[in-house]
Amino acid sequence: AQSVTQPDIHITVSEGASLELRCNYSYGATPYLFWYVQSPGQGLQLLLKYFSGDTLVQGIKGFEAEFKRSQSSFNLRKPSVHWSDAAEYFCAVGGVTGGSYIPTFGRGTSLIVHP
Amino acid sequence: DTEVTQTPKHLVMGMTNKKSLKCEQHMGHRAMYWYKQKAKKPPELMFVYSYEKLSINESVPSRFSPECPNSSLLNLHLHALQPEDSALYLCASSQESGKAYNEQFFGPGTRLTVL
Repeated sequence: AQSVTQPDIHITVSEGASLELRCNYSYGATPYLFWYVQSPGQGLQLLLKYFSGDTLVQGIKGFEAEFKRSQSSFNLRKPSVHWSDAAEYFCAVGGVTGGSYIPTFGRGTSLIVHP
Repeated sequence: DTEVTQTPKHLVMGMTNKKSLKCEQHMGHRAMYWYKQKAKKPPELMFVYSYEKLSINESVPSRFSPECPNSSLLNLHLHALQPEDSALYLCASSQESGKAYNEQFFGPGTRLTVL
């Protein structure tokens, strides 16, 4: 069965600083990887996804992620964080459950942005 | 229209009440999902509908009863809930549930409080 590990429960950065959120996955085949963001009291919004091809994936809001098969990682990065980026970030891997492709989510990383 | 809508936004109910949550999408998606999310936790899958038929029930108690009247609508009927059922209930949709590139679009959720 697939699994996702987000080792950091909280990350605190200053506004304008760079950001990297870690994600490690376990999956037997080619993984389908996602990063979602959730603002307080809101639903999840897809930031970016990786299915195949270029291992550096560009997403919305200035985010990017790099797929590294050798490290089973899919870390999310942003060069300069804005206060509005404070939110919960979930990494997910798509896998088969009951004949359907269902994402398995990591526990999430809470991003705190200091002014 | 790339939006999933959910009503109501907030719901407070007693343990003997019967209420329903509603979800709607007009993206032509044929798969729809219910998730339950507790604070600071990732979403937990409850049900999956594929082409208006229930395809996955993740051993959800019978006090939760899903219904998919048509391809655009998904309901979750609630009866005799417990206080521990208080959570954010998220609806999501995707083009199909059987494809690996299973990007899900999430609604904003219904915040449910059971007294």
